[in-house]
Amino acid sequence: QSVLTQPPSVSGAPGQRVTISCTGSSSNIGAGYDVHWYQQLPGTAPKLLIHGNKIRPSGVPDRFSGSKSGTSASLAITGLQAEDEADYYCQSYDSSLSASVFGGGTKLTVL
Amino acid sequence: QVQLVQSGAEVKKPGAPVKVSCKTSGYIFTNFGISWVRQAPGQGLEWMGWTSAYNGNTNYAQKFQGRVTMTTDTSTSTAYMELRSLRSDDTAMYYCAKTVPFCGVDCYPDWFDPWGQGTLVTVSS
Repeated sequence: QSVLTQPPSVSGAPGQRVTISCTGSSSNIGAGYDVHWYQQLPGTAPKLLIHGNKIRPSGVPDRFSGSKSGTSASLAITGLQAEDEADYYCQSYDSSLSASVFGGGTKLTVL
Repeated sequence: QVQLVQSGAEVKKPGAPVKVSCKTSGYIFTNFGISWVRQAPGQGLEWMGWTSAYNGNTNYAQKFQGRVTMTTDTSTSTAYMELRSLRSDDTAMYYCAKTVPFCGVDCYPDWFDPWGQGTLVTVSS
């Protein structure tokens, strides 16, 4: 069981908007630790998509956005494209575990 | 540009150790940390621990304490991860990642960017 909870899968048609949730607790997201998001395309290493809850690194399209509230965070993808089909992971820090923690990952399927 | 290049795939027998290297370039090595993350076949990401390249301090996930050692060589900007007493369920892709620290009284690993290409470790008799 992952410390951060994500839906196993989401799907959407090209052009649509999808969101991926990441639910934590009072020892990680709720304690104020930032949430970061990674995209992992098939057969490749993860790539940073969002850091500091909502900051997009240079080169990441503005179709990707992040938010955080309370003990949860969300990744939104608008204008869905076939190339967005990948696994998405949220990550934060947990003070009880003194460890970085990941969500279980969400597989995005573009219909 | 920032690059992390990992050593090649390994096949090990149960009980043996494995040591994976991660050579970095394109940034000031001692200003950041290096985290190690593994991914078993078809599974999610699992953080193993990190080391501060600044002072060599390490923090390991409880699951790996006593079995893993993470080190850095500042002269070559290279990080190493040794995992001992390998078991079949240690079969995974192992990634290193440049880690941005968040420092208050202590430092903790904040986010990871970029990642190495991964090293496949297969444990099989």
